[in-house]
Amino acid sequence: AQTVTQSQPEMSVQEAETVTLSCTYDTSESDYYLFWYKQPPSRQMILVIRQEAYKQQNATENRFSVNFQKAAKSFSLKISDSQLGDAAMYFCAYKETSGSRLTFGEGTQLTVNP
Amino acid sequence: EAGVTQSPTHLIKTRGQQVTLRCSPISGHTSVYWYQQALGLGLQFLLWYDEGEERNRGNFPPRFSGRQFPNYSSELNVNALELEDSALYLCASSFRRTGGYSPLHFGNGTRLTVT
Repeated sequence: AQTVTQSQPEMSVQEAETVTLSCTYDTSESDYYLFWYKQPPSRQMILVIRQEAYKQQNATENRFSVNFQKAAKSFSLKISDSQLGDAAMYFCAYKETSGSRLTFGEGTQLTVNP
Repeated sequence: EAGVTQSPTHLIKTRGQQVTLRCSPISGHTSVYWYQQALGLGLQFLLWYDEGEERNRGNFPPRFSGRQFPNYSSELNVNALELEDSALYLCASSFRRTGGYSPLHFGNGTRLTVT
């Protein structure tokens, strides 16, 4: 079974600085999707960024970028120029290409200090 | 476009009771997913419905069940509530794709407290 591990229960960053959240996963599949979701206090899960495993180029969405290391099964999220609104719980998630369900990590609570 | 809506937002029940949670997907979405988010844990997959059928089920006991209606809205039923059922229940919807990926859109969840 696929598993997703986030080893950092909590992280903090100063406003305007850069922070990296870690994620590792375990799978025997060669093609799959990886995601980072953000869950602010409003509780709604918001998709931040996604990566297709067959793409070697790391995904980027404005201030959010990933470092996808397929061989190491590592998928970290970098947030540049951190803003107060980035404070939230961040979840890493995995999905098989042919599957339906998302498998989530335990989450990392990010605090942004002014 | 209206997002995924869930009701109620909060619910308090007593151990042994039964509860029904409701979810309305985004218009045009045929797939509905249910996840349980217990305190301190990640999201655990509960159920997937598409076109009125249960397509996949997570590792939960049979007292967790649900259904999907012809308008693609869905209910999650939990019987014989236990204290550990206290959690945030999230519903998500998407287009059904046989291949590729259709993003999941989540609702704001129902917070269930079992006392």
